[in-house]
Amino acid sequence: EAGVAQSPRYKIIEKRQSVAFWCNPISGHATLYWYQQILGQGPKLLIQFQNNGVVDDSQLPKDRFSAERLKGVDSTLKIQPAKLEDSAVYLCASSARSGGDQFFGPGTRLTVL
Amino acid sequence: GIQVEQSPPDLILQEGANSTLRCNFSDSVNNLQWFHQNPWGQLINLFYIPSGTKQNGRLSATTVATERYSLLYISSSQTTDSGVYFCAGNAGGTSYGKLTFGQGTILTVHP
Repeated sequence: EAGVAQSPRYKIIEKRQSVAFWCNPISGHATLYWYQQILGQGPKLLIQFQNNGVVDDSQLPKDRFSAERLKGVDSTLKIQPAKLEDSAVYLCASSARSGGDQFFGPGTRLTVL
Repeated sequence: GIQVEQSPPDLILQEGANSTLRCNFSDSVNNLQWFHQNPWGQLINLFYIPSGTKQNGRLSATTVATERYSLLYISSSQTTDSGVYFCAGNAGGTSYGKLTFGQGTILTVHP
């Protein structure tokens, strides 16, 4: 069974530029999560989708971050404009159901200069 | 939301030694997972263990839900066990599936 796929693996941009990350969850997993992991800390949830609907985006900085999961499968997370403090690893995870065990992709390491 | 505390923050072992990592929760959880983050940043699932005891090779985990803690045991450690170990929990209810992570335990195993 293929795991969670993410791309790109690395991205370097300058502040005020925009960037997008892509995630394809494990086949059949209805729930998809985006987490942000700052160096030295544990991951923090940004947004959770159930199929193509948002169930929790309380910690998403909505003035600059947006995410969508239009067909209930893959998802895109966008940052526009990026700030220096957005430098982090962005992790995508999926689970068969909300509250079930989550499986993580390899992450995208973002550096904002 | 729930608070998650992990201890110890750092652990240095010689190959072959055993260790115990602890995770305390501020409230009841209905989903608890242990992960190993390897040097390349990949989070690898170790256990899904909201309660009880599980074993997988040299690793085992026990969660005592009524006392809000979980333990991860690593026996006969190997250099490949090095990395950061995270526990994470979900309190259910309006937190949906959101996992709250601890700060992690950094494990270094020397040959």
